[in-house]
Amino acid sequence: DVKVTQSSRYLVKRTGEKVFLECVQDMDHENMFWYRQDPGLGLRLIYFSYDVKMKEKGDIPEGYSVSREKKERFSLILESASTNQTSMYLCASSFGELPYNEQFFGPGTRLTVL
Amino acid sequence: GQNIDQPTEMTATEGAIVQINCTYQTSGFNGLFWYQQHAGEAPTFLSYNVLDGLEEKGRFSSFLSRSKGYSYLLLKELQMKDSASYLCAVMDSNYQLIWGAGTKLIIKP
Repeated sequence: DVKVTQSSRYLVKRTGEKVFLECVQDMDHENMFWYRQDPGLGLRLIYFSYDVKMKEKGDIPEGYSVSREKKERFSLILESASTNQTSMYLCASSFGELPYNEQFFGPGTRLTVL
Repeated sequence: GQNIDQPTEMTATEGAIVQINCTYQTSGFNGLFWYQQHAGEAPTFLSYNVLDGLEEKGRFSSFLSRSKGYSYLLLKELQMKDSASYLCAVMDSNYQLIWGAGTKLIIKP
């Protein structure tokens, strides 16, 4: 089974702190994604990566950055956390060859910024 | 703009059938996905449709009409464990997924 893990299920940070969210997948997937999920809204794509050291902005990249130094690991960084970044963050991965391949999701990190 | 519409919440009875609708307006179309998400858990893949018609997979079926920008997920013989949110997502011309807000399905005994 494909497994996508995220470093924390729950996280509480202070405004202005730098926050790192880690995601690891164990199925050699080329593609990795970071989403945020808020009540009443669909999943919104923050950043994605199709290869090591490669990154592309999604729909809402402002206030975030990412790092992909190894194929299995995709990190989301909040340079200076703000209260409007309180959300559920979901990481996903998929095979790269076919664009319609299903995405496999991690369990999510619920981040609260005080 | 791009838009995916699905009902916010639906209620159904154990053992019954329920149909969850999804309408979309997107820049291009490269397929439609349905995912299931139990409360506090990760979304999991249910189905993918790219051609018109019905795809059946056990108790779950998914239908697509590209000309109408419409899909539905049909759940038969409902079980309590089917209580979850069901997410509709469309892959646009850039192969990016556009997600609906999800339909929360409540199953009553």
